[in-house]
Amino acid sequence: GAGVSQTPSNKVTEKGKYVELRCDPISGHTALYWYRQSLGQGPEFLIYFQGTGAADDSGLPNDRFFAVRPEGSVSTLKIQRTERGDSAVYLCASSARTSGLDTQYFGPGTRLTVL
Amino acid sequence: GESVGLHLPTLSVQEGDNSIINCAYSNSASDYFIWYKQESGKGPQFIIDIRSNMDKRQGQRVTVLLNKTVKHLSLQIAATQPGDSAVYFCAEGGGSQGNLIFGKGTKLSVKP
Repeated sequence: GAGVSQTPSNKVTEKGKYVELRCDPISGHTALYWYRQSLGQGPEFLIYFQGTGAADDSGLPNDRFFAVRPEGSVSTLKIQRTERGDSAVYLCASSARTSGLDTQYFGPGTRLTVL
Repeated sequence: GESVGLHLPTLSVQEGDNSIINCAYSNSASDYFIWYKQESGKGPQFIIDIRSNMDKRQGQRVTVLLNKTVKHLSLQIAATQPGDSAVYFCAEGGGSQGNLIFGKGTKLSVKP
């Protein structure tokens, strides 16, 4: 079946601009996660959703970042007033449920470059 | 905060040999551990996981060992192939939030 998909695969923007990154989880998965991966590092947790609600947003670095999942499926990560330090690969993952013990399946990521 | 780390940043092995990738974790409360493989330009791919009530789990050509006494995790790959070349991450989870904590990764290079 289809895995997690993310669009766009690459996004180049200028400092100060607004960007939206989209994630389509595996069908039927109720839990959705966003991570950020800098070059040479492991993914770092940003936020996760259980259904439509953000169950934990403790990983968001500041208030320029927020994410939504209005219908409990597709999620959008939104970054306002982008900064060069926001450049990274943004990964989305989904799992069947949030038990802390469920396998998370990752999408290919969106590579964001802020000039 | 708690962290997951790796003993070796790079590992080079001959094709056909066995590979062992090690990982140390610090949160004794973690009860779920996962290994992911990440190829260049792709997202992490699930390889194998293990619960804290187990000390060994086997998959196809891969084995994960968990030593809770010394908080150590290892991934063994049998008969390593060129297609195994990638960066391997261990991650820990099981907290109430459900998110994973990743280490920095080990780059595995397989020489033909």
